[in-house]
Amino acid sequence: KAGVTQTPRYLIKTRGQQVTLSCSPISGHRSVSWYQQTPGQGLQFLFEYFSETQRNKGNFPGRFSGRQFSNSRSEMNVSTLELGDSALYLCASSLGVIRVEETQYFGPGTRLLVL
Amino acid sequence: GENVEQHPSTLSVQEGDSAVIKCTYSDSASNYFPWYKQELGKGPQLIIDIRSNVGEKKDQRIAVTLNKTAKHFSLHITETQPEDSAVYFCAASMNYGGSQGNLIFGKGTKLSVKP
Repeated sequence: KAGVTQTPRYLIKTRGQQVTLSCSPISGHRSVSWYQQTPGQGLQFLFEYFSETQRNKGNFPGRFSGRQFSNSRSEMNVSTLELGDSALYLCASSLGVIRVEETQYFGPGTRLLVL
Repeated sequence: GENVEQHPSTLSVQEGDSAVIKCTYSDSASNYFPWYKQELGKGPQLIIDIRSNVGEKKDQRIAVTLNKTAKHFSLHITETQPEDSAVYFCAASMNYGGSQGNLIFGKGTKLSVKP
């Protein structure tokens, strides 16, 4: 079974631009979560989508948004890029079936550099 | 909100020795504790996880222990090998109702195994 895939793997943008990152979850997984990883702040939760609905949200400004499609693929968008948005953006998928615990599997990430 | 502290930040051991990484969490409602290994240029890979109703779990050379009273959990790697060198992250989450909680990560431990 194929793992979580993320595109593109690397991206260079300039301040003020916007960017869209894509994530394809493991086949059969319906929940997709996004995390930002930086050397200073570590791994921080952005948001989670399940059945095309945002189910959980972290403490990030409104410039960070996401969506999920009917095939469970997800995109996240960052508008008006700032230098501090340079980071590795990770997508994680899980089954999303209602139960007590969920195991999340991560993709390789998209490394974004804002100049 | 939940806070996860992880120690040490760096750990160097000789091949064949054991390595122990410790994490503490603040919210007693947390009930799921995964450990991830991240190699350079890759996304985090789940290596073992433990639920709040279990005190210890083993998988070959890897074991995790959980002390709910003290709110801490530890990763133990025995007979370390050079390929164990990576950054290890602990995480905690609380899942309730049917909603998957987001993972709160520790800052990571860089493990170096010297041949």
